[in-house]
Amino acid sequence: KQEVTQIPAALSVPEGENLVLNCSFTDSAIYNLQWFRQDPGKGLTSLLLIQSSQREQTSGRLNASLDKSSGRSTLYIAASQPGDSATYLCAVCGGADGLTFGKGTHLIIQP
Amino acid sequence: DVKVTQSSRYLVKRTGEKVFLECVQDMDHENMFWYRQDPGLGLRLIYFSYDVKMKEKGDIPEGYSVSREKKERFSLILESASTNQTSMYLCASTLLVATDTQYFGPGTRLTVL
Repeated sequence: KQEVTQIPAALSVPEGENLVLNCSFTDSAIYNLQWFRQDPGKGLTSLLLIQSSQREQTSGRLNASLDKSSGRSTLYIAASQPGDSATYLCAVCGGADGLTFGKGTHLIIQP
Repeated sequence: DVKVTQSSRYLVKRTGEKVFLECVQDMDHENMFWYRQDPGLGLRLIYFSYDVKMKEKGDIPEGYSVSREKKERFSLILESASTNQTSMYLCASTLLVATDTQYFGPGTRLTVL
């Protein structure tokens, strides 16, 4: 059974810093890996999707990488801003039954 | 833009009541999902559906059932609500599971007293 782990569970950094969030998964037989953002009490917003054949995806200040063979992904956030404060969730898609999620990294950007 | 809506943001029910949570998507997606989210446990899949009238159990289907009579609507049913079903319920949809992102609704915070 697929297991997804996110490290760290929580992170607090000053505004302007670059930061890296980590995600690992136990079964490398995946279709894709997705990163989401969740604000308190809200639903999930998709940030990036990396297909299993890809190594990375970029959107604005966000860059996500995927190393399927080692079961790892990172989400890099450049020049962090207070508006980036949220919980970031990593999820892997292994088949028709959808996504397996990590428990998230709770990120606080200090002004 | 894809829009996934859920019938209620907050819901309070009594133990033993039958509870209906509704989810509607406007993008003609084939696949729809129900998750619950709990502190320390993350998101867990309850049921999913890949077509009208089709349903499949997820990781934690006990105590729940679902209905998909129309493509755009996926309902989660708590047959007899219990306090351990107090949770945040999130609905999602996607066109192709293997290649497309899932679009989530805003969630329903259900409290069972």
